[in-house]
Amino acid sequence: EVQLVESGGGLVQPGRSLKLSCVASGFAFNYYWMTWIRQAPGKGLEWLASITNNGGSTYYADSVKGRFTISRDNANSTLYLQMNSLRSEDTATYYCTRGAILRIPLGDYWGQGVMVTVSS
Amino acid sequence: DVQMTQSPSNLAASPGESVSINCKASKSISKYLAWYQQKPGKANKLLIYSGSTLQSGTPSRFSGSGSGTDFTLTIRNLEPEDFGLYYCQQHNEYPPTFGAGTKLELK
Repeated sequence: EVQLVESGGGLVQPGRSLKLSCVASGFAFNYYWMTWIRQAPGKGLEWLASITNNGGSTYYADSVKGRFTISRDNANSTLYLQMNSLRSEDTATYYCTRGAILRIPLGDYWGQGVMVTVSS
Repeated sequence: DVQMTQSPSNLAASPGESVSINCKASKSISKYLAWYQQKPGKANKLLIYSGSTLQSGTPSRFSGSGSGTDFTLTIRNLEPEDFGLYYCQQHNEYPPTFGAGTKLELK
């Protein structure tokens, strides 16, 4: 069974950093592109960043480029999102997702999400 | 960025009825449109991709149609488990973008 389990969320002050993790199981992690998507409270879904299966290429939304870094550890089937210079508008539930079609992210499996609250 | 406009925002229906949700792209996205279902306490589920291809496990009462800029998700013979939020996403170009969602509620 495919499982994606996010962790690392919590309450953080503006300007501080946080690193999210997503542990994958039930599939060959190193074969798949992976993506982070977020959803602010009561809002829609926003694509943030994607990484190719071997980690050789990364793609970012303009809203997080330069502040967030996506990475992966294929040996441990784990996806990461390093978030720096956090702002109140980064408050959201963060989801990791699996998959892409023709090099464009398409989430065929999603984690349950982890909440990040940026507030003083 | 490609803007995705979903309609309606809210939809009320009864089990057994059929409903349609629309998604309009601000420019042509060929056939590359996906539909997701979101329900509280559950992981989001991919229902349809590339406009009309059912993801494995998606019941056949779900169907997708359209190409270019206009797409439709149709659910026939609504089941109680179909009520929730539905989002479209274009997977034609970067950045991938989502519609604002349609809340399907029990009438």
